[in-house]
Amino acid sequence: AQSVTQLGSHVSVSEGALVLLRCNYSSSVPPYLFWYVQYPNQGLQLLLKYTSAATLVKGINGFEAEFKKSETSFHLTKPSAHMSDAAEYFCAVSEAIQGAQKLVFGQGTRLTINP
Amino acid sequence: DTEVTQTPKHLVMGMTNKKSLKCEQHMGHRAMYWYKQKAKKPPELMFVYSYEKLSINESVPSRFSPECPNSSLLNLHLHALQPEDSALYLCASSQDTGTQREKLFFGSGTQLSVL
Repeated sequence: AQSVTQLGSHVSVSEGALVLLRCNYSSSVPPYLFWYVQYPNQGLQLLLKYTSAATLVKGINGFEAEFKKSETSFHLTKPSAHMSDAAEYFCAVSEAIQGAQKLVFGQGTRLTINP
Repeated sequence: DTEVTQTPKHLVMGMTNKKSLKCEQHMGHRAMYWYKQKAKKPPELMFVYSYEKLSINESVPSRFSPECPNSSLLNLHLHALQPEDSALYLCASSQDTGTQREKLFFGSGTQLSVL
């Protein structure tokens, strides 16, 4: 079974600072990887996804992630944090089960932005 | 319209009650999902419907009964729930479900409390 591990359940950065959220995956086949964001009292929204087309993936709201096979990582970054980035971030890997797609999420990282 | 609409937003029910959660999308998506999210935890897949047929049941107890009356509508019927079933129930949809690359669109969820 495929899985993802998010290092750090809580990350705190200052406004304007670099955001780095870590995700490592475990997969015996080339993985399909996703980053989703969840704002308080809301559902999840896709930030970006890796589907093997390019190792550097750009997403919405200035976020990007780099797929590194040698490190089995898919870390999420943003050059300059904004107060509105405060949310819960989930890394996920997609599995095929019985012809359907199953997303397996990491434990999540809560991002706090300090003014 | 890129929304997944879930009703009700909040639900409180007793262990002997019968209630239903409703999910609707008008994006022409052919795959729909139910996820369960406990507080401070990642979402966990419960069911996947593909082309109105149940594709995945993640060994969910029979007190949860999904229904997909048509391609736009997904219900989750609840009966004889336990307090530990209290959680945020998220509905999602995607264009398809067979490629593992699909972007899921999530609703805001129904916050369920079982007394």
